[in-house]
Amino acid sequence: NAGVTQTPKFRVLKTGQSMTLLCAQDMNHEYMYWYRQDPGMGLRLIHYSVGEGTTAKGEVPDGYNVSRLKKQNFLLGLESAAPSQTSVYFCASSLFTGPISIYEQYFGPGTRLTVT
Amino acid sequence: AQSVSQHNHHVILSEAASLELGCNYSYGGTVNLFWYVQYPGQHLQLLLKYFSGDPLVKGIKGFEAEFIKSKFSFNLRKPSVQWSDTAEYFCAVNAPVNSGYALNFGKGTSLLVTP
Repeated sequence: NAGVTQTPKFRVLKTGQSMTLLCAQDMNHEYMYWYRQDPGMGLRLIHYSVGEGTTAKGEVPDGYNVSRLKKQNFLLGLESAAPSQTSVYFCASSLFTGPISIYEQYFGPGTRLTVT
Repeated sequence: AQSVSQHNHHVILSEAASLELGCNYSYGGTVNLFWYVQYPGQHLQLLLKYFSGDPLVKGIKGFEAEFIKSKFSFNLRKPSVQWSDTAEYFCAVNAPVNSGYALNFGKGTSLLVTP
């Protein structure tokens, strides 16, 4: 199994440009997440999905959109990039096995995005 | 609101020294607790996790953590660190169901182990 993969690994955008980050998992996990990591801030939740066709906002959703058209993929879009979105983006997934699930999350390798 | 606090932002130790990283959380309900490690340039890896049972949890690479419910703490320990333990360490707690059980992370502790 490849686990959780992310595309691309690095990207540089100019302010106002758009892009889509792709996350794919081959573990048949129900739940998927997008986090951003900034120095001294830890990881913060952007959006999440509890299943195919469903998405919800996390702690810092502004400026981002997401889609989960297929269970294995979770896309993060930036419609008009801003310098404040310079960050490292991590995707994660977890398996739902019922109300007392452990929800251990598996992380992808990250995408380093710079907006100039 | 649920929060996770890591007391030490930067720690420098010599090889063979003992390590203890503090983590406190604020959440009154049942929690799942995690420590993740991020080696330079790499993604997050799970060190250990606690759900229930024995409050002393053993993880990979000789790490352990103790859950003290009365103190809302989940401190990470290692008796003797190695240079290869240089990394950033994150404590995390599962958010409630209305946040999709996402992880609430502390801000991280950067550990540097010197030879």
